[in-house]
Order: sequence, then C-alpha cells, then structure tokens
Amino acid sequence: DAKTTQPNSMESNEEEPVHLPCNHSTISGTDYIHWYRQLPSQGPEYVIHGLTSNVNNRMASLAIAEDRKSSTLILHRATLRDAAVYYCIPTLSSNTGKLIFGQGTTLQVKP
Amino acid sequence: ETGVTQTPRHLVMGMTNKKSLKCEQHLGHNAMYWYKQSAKKPLELMFVYNFKEQTENNSVPSRFSPECPNSSHLFLHLHTLQPEDSALYLCASSQVGTGAYEQYFGPGTRLTVT
Repeated sequence: DAKTTQPNSMESNEEEPVHLPCNHSTISGTDYIHWYRQLPSQGPEYVIHGLTSNVNNRMASLAIAEDRKSSTLILHRATLRDAAVYYCIPTLSSNTGKLIFGQGTTLQVKP
Repeated sequence: ETGVTQTPRHLVMGMTNKKSLKCEQHLGHNAMYWYKQSAKKPLELMFVYNFKEQTENNSVPSRFSPECPNSSHLFLHLHTLQPEDSALYLCASSQVGTGAYEQYFGPGTRLTVT
C-alpha cells in the first residue's frame, strides 16, 4: 500500500478556497487516489477520487500532479460545515476495497 | 432506512460480558467492512467481507468474531474484551469489482469496556 503524507492541520476562513495537499510518492500506476472526510462524531464520508486526470464533483475538485506523486483536494468555498479531518488514500482498483487511513489533515474553518 | 445503519449507537460492557454489534446496509453492495477508531489514532481496518466471504482479517484478536450471514448484514460478536478495546466501531459497505468505488460508512457504535 502506498504511503501518504498530509499536514496535520490547516486553517481557512469561511467563503475562501482551501487547498489540501497530499504526497503519495510511492503510488503505483494502478492506484486510484481517494479522498474521504470525517466530520465530528460521524463516520467518514467519500469526497472524490481520481486516477490521472483532474476531477470535479459537487463537493470538491481533485488536482493530480502529472507524475501522480502528489494531489490536492480543493474546496472552492469553505463553509463551517467543511470543518473535518480529510484523508487522502491511494487504493488499488483490483483489491477487496479496503481503505488504509492515515492521520489525515484536520481542517478548521473560521467564520 | 437508507445507507448504512449500526446498532446500538452506544454500548457499555464489562470485561466478562458477551455482546454483538449489528450493521445493515440498504445499498445493494457486495462488500462490507469493520473498522476500529481509537482516540487519537487513525481508523484501523479489522475485517473485510466480499460476497459474504471473509477476505481480510487484519490480525484482529479472537475476542472479536465477525459474522456475515448475507450481503446486507454484518455482525461483530464481542466477548471477554479489555478496556483498551474501548473505541468507535465503524461499519462500511461498497460495491467492489467495478474499478474505483466509494465506501459508505455507518455512524458507528461507541463502545466502552469497563
């Protein structure tokens, strides 16, 4: 399983964009990059995933470096409800679906 | 009910008790998972079931015994637990075999072992 490095914590102001970085330098060519987040007192929830190209959905955008050794989750306008722990998780498409969670990044959003 | 449900939401048990945690997914998925989240630690994968068959046991002590009677239900039977087993136990499901996938998590059972 590929190892990841994320900052322990980040702060953002409400209504401003947030860029959450992740290094996954040992990622293999068939690993997808998943992002999940965990709001306080809840189970994790899926945010977005990608393989090579940048991806957008209603929650966020995912920018993947050309060499795939890093990626950035972009929240375009942070709200107070986005305060959570964000996890970057490389996963094999062919595996049993297991997720290996790291420490993640705790995002604080200030009003 | 929608998504993934877990019962009970909170459980306090003594070290000599036997209890079970229940998880049910209403999403038609073919894989289910148990995770453990201790205070100040990352989520740890415990067990993986694909099509009701256990495909992964992440070196979990035998005092935790999973059961998957069908693809919608997953149980975690607990007996002679230790205080360090106090944690949030999370269940998840996904549809594997179709490339990348999303895992859907339940709200968890907060377990306290006294």
